[in-house]
Amino acid sequence: QQQVKQSPQSLIVQKGGISIINCAYENTAFDYFPWYQQFPGKGPALLIAIRPDVSEKKEGRFTISFNKSAKQFSLHIMDSQPGDSATYFCAASMLGYQLIWGAGTKLIIKP
Amino acid sequence: GAVVSQHPSWVICKSGTSVKIECRSLDFQATTMFWYRQFPKQSLMLMATSNEGSKATYEQGVEKDKFLINHASLTLSTLTVTSAHPEDSSFYICSASWANKETQYFGPGTRLLVL
Repeated sequence: QQQVKQSPQSLIVQKGGISIINCAYENTAFDYFPWYQQFPGKGPALLIAIRPDVSEKKEGRFTISFNKSAKQFSLHIMDSQPGDSATYFCAASMLGYQLIWGAGTKLIIKP
Repeated sequence: GAVVSQHPSWVICKSGTSVKIECRSLDFQATTMFWYRQFPKQSLMLMATSNEGSKATYEQGVEKDKFLINHASLTLSTLTVTSAHPEDSSFYICSASWANKETQYFGPGTRLLVL
């Protein structure tokens, strides 16, 4: 019940396309859902985060869509660029406690 | 803001030696620091959580005597890998938070290679 399931494991998108990464959770007590971006050999960096009281949050080309009833949330990267090539992790936490991490998605943007 | 540094960025050591990794929050006071381990192409595995001035809380399966964590101040935590062996080779990443544990700021990581 503490798991966060992330898919796909890897994704190849053409430059300018939309990249979509999905996560699903079971624990309805989760109340914070961040996405992290990690480049090879670097630590993760917080990209965008959402709480369950909103269904969508947008920051630049990055959008989180949240479906509370389905217990799913997704990251959309619009106009994907080669510089977006990285590994993306979703996570979840409840009541301000530690993060539960998804398995990660390796995104490759082809020029 | 919210910058976390780690030192060293990479280290090579001989089997049986101990290695210390430092994690510093540069522009904020971190009430909680976390230590993660990441294997190639895998997710982050939380090793332990430490609060300033108190003993670290280790995750199940993590050897406390092998991975010594000290959080002596609000800006510094250290991870010491004692009597390192080749299987300890990994990418170690720290993170820090101040208000709650959900918003974590990560360091750049330390790659450890034990020969």
